[in-house]
Amino acid sequence: LAKTTQPISMDSYEGQEVNITCSHNNIATNDYITWYQQFPSQGPRFIIQGYKTKVTNEVASLFIPADRKSSTLSLPRVSLSDTAVYYCLVAYSSASKIIFGSGTRLSIRP
Amino acid sequence: DADVTQTPRNRITKTGKRIMLECSQTKGHDRMYWYRQDPGLGLQLIYYSFDVKDINKGEISDGYSVSRQAQAKFSLSLESAIPNQTALYFCATSDGKVETQYFGPGTRLLVL
Repeated sequence: LAKTTQPISMDSYEGQEVNITCSHNNIATNDYITWYQQFPSQGPRFIIQGYKTKVTNEVASLFIPADRKSSTLSLPRVSLSDTAVYYCLVAYSSASKIIFGSGTRLSIRP
Repeated sequence: DADVTQTPRNRITKTGKRIMLECSQTKGHDRMYWYRQDPGLGLQLIYYSFDVKDINKGEISDGYSVSRQAQAKFSLSLESAIPNQTALYFCATSDGKVETQYFGPGTRLLVL
């Protein structure tokens, strides 16, 4: 059964690096992993997407190990404005399912 | 994202009423989705459509129906609203190539 699992919450401080991990069993060869950020009363916003190894853009990095059963979103030097809920999404092509993780509530303190 | 619009943005209705939530997109994407989000919880997929002639049930389709009127329009209906359908509803689109979804601003629905 396709399932995506994330920690419920995380706390950190401004200037620190934050790593959020998502577990995704039964991921298929052609499935991509996508991470979204959501602020209260807004729709989720795309952060980064990857297929394997490492992807980096201007706001984050995504690390995917060789077995692809998990992925880690890395936010460098977070600020108060990074306080949000972060979701991972895996498109399970084999099951025709799109499974969002339950979300990780990230709180950044001064 | 202004490319995906939802109407209305807020709606209050009574138990038993039929209501429709509308979604329009100008991104030219074939795939459209409806999600529900309960307070403090994650996103649950209600229905999705991969093209105009394709409609699929998601995790929580009971009590809902959809209509894909055109590539750009995807409507969600609650045939007989009940209080536990009170939630925030999001529409999303994707081009399907790598499943990057673009979300609308949401519709906040309150069923009394």
